[in-house]
Amino acid sequence: QVQLVQSGAEVKKPGASVKVSCKASGYTFTTYYMHWVRQAPGQGLEWLGIINPSGGSTTYAQKFQGRVTMTRDTSTSTVYMELSSLRSEDTALYFCARASIPQGGGVPPDYWGQGTPVTVSS
Amino acid sequence: QSALTQPASVSGSPGQSITISCTGTSSDVGGYNFVSWYQQHPGKAPKLMIYDVSEGPSGVSNRFSGSKSGNTASLTISGLQAEDEADYYCCSYAGSGTLVFGGGTKLTVL
Repeated sequence: QVQLVQSGAEVKKPGASVKVSCKASGYTFTTYYMHWVRQAPGQGLEWLGIINPSGGSTTYAQKFQGRVTMTRDTSTSTVYMELSSLRSEDTALYFCARASIPQGGGVPPDYWGQGTPVTVSS
Repeated sequence: QSALTQPASVSGSPGQSITISCTGTSSDVGGYNFVSWYQQHPGKAPKLMIYDVSEGPSGVSNRFSGSKSGNTASLTISGLQAEDEADYYCCSYAGSGTLVFGGGTKLTVL
C-alpha cells in the first residue's frame, strides 16, 4: 500500500532554514510527482510546489520562489523540502502528497503524508 | 496566485443536500477542467473526494458530486450524514504546473 512517512517536528528561530523529508513506499517512486502543501494553525491549505522524482525538475508557487528548494534521493525514495529565511508566519503543518496520476505534473494529490509540524519562534 | 474564494461555513440537517461554491478566475477555475475537492477532518490529512470537476475516486460515496460554470466550481453533498461534518477545500490547476487551493469551508451537520 502507498505510504508517505515524513520526518518529525521541527522548532526553528526566525531567519533559519528547515528541511523536511518524505519517504515513499508501496509504489514506483519515480513514476509519480510529489506535491508539498502547508497548513498554518486553524488556516487553510497552501500549495508550495511540486517535484518530479524522475528527473528532479521542480515548479514552485510564486510566493515561495527563492525561499523553497525541493530535492529527491531516488536511492532511498525520499523527497525533501527546504524552506529558508523562516519567519513566524511559516509556522505550519507541512505535508507531502503524491500526484494522483503517473507522470502528472499538474494533477491533484491523492495520498498524503502525516504532516510535519514546523514552529518558528524566537 | 490568489486563493480561490469559498464560503467560510455552510450547514445542513441530516438527509438534506448542501452546495459549496469555489470562485476563481479565468486563469484557474475558469480556464481548465481540473478542479478537485478535498475533505479534511480535524487532525487528519485531506482526502480527495472529486477530481477533474466531477469525477469521483473509487471508494468515495456517490453522494458527493461536482460541477463548474464559468469561474465558479461547486461541490454538492446529498443525503447529508453526520460523518460529512468536516472542512472542505477546492483546488484548481492554475497553469504552468501550479495548483491553487480555496480558503476552505466548514460544514456543520445540524
